[in-house]
Amino acid sequence: AQSVTQLDSQVPVFEEAPVELRCNYSSSVSVYLFWYVQYPNQGLQLLLKYLSGSTLVKGINGFEAEFNKSQTSFHLRKPSVHISDTAEYFCAETPSGSARQLTFGSGTQLTVLP
Amino acid sequence: KAGVTQTPRYLIKTRGQQVTLSCSPISGHRSVSWYQQTPGQGLQFLFEYFSETQRNKGNFPGRFSGRQFSNSRSEMNVSTLELGDSALYLCASSPTDALEKLFFGSGTQLSVL
Repeated sequence: AQSVTQLDSQVPVFEEAPVELRCNYSSSVSVYLFWYVQYPNQGLQLLLKYLSGSTLVKGINGFEAEFNKSQTSFHLRKPSVHISDTAEYFCAETPSGSARQLTFGSGTQLTVLP
Repeated sequence: KAGVTQTPRYLIKTRGQQVTLSCSPISGHRSVSWYQQTPGQGLQFLFEYFSETQRNKGNFPGRFSGRQFSNSRSEMNVSTLELGDSALYLCASSPTDALEKLFFGSGTQLSVL
């Protein structure tokens, strides 16, 4: 069974500092990987996705993630965060051959401090 | 283009009642999925419909059911509500039968008293 582990439940960081949100997946088969963001009282918005090809994926709002197959990781990074990036971030995966449902991690609350 | 619309936005029910939540996907999208989000269990997959057929179901009791209509709109029903059913229920739609282009609605917040 697939599982996704987000290693940090809360990440506080000062404005304009870099941030990395960590995600590891367990599936042994080929997977698609996603990062979603959820603002308070809202649904999920896709930040970026890895389907195949280049292991460095760029998304919206200046975020990027790197797929590392050997370490089964898909960490999310941003070089300089803003107050508006405060939100909960979810990593998710689905098997590429049968992409019918997402398995989500438990989420990381990113709080950007002034 | 309108996004995924979920109604109602908030719902309060009591134990033992039943509830129906509605989801209107983005125009042209034929796949609709439902997820339950709770503080304790996180985001969990409920079921997925494509062209009125349920293709995939998560590990939830039979009290949770759903359906999809010919216009791709979907409803989910929870019968005999329990306190633990309190959650944010998220609907997502996709234009194809894969998840590369999955769009989420804002959810229905269900509170069971």
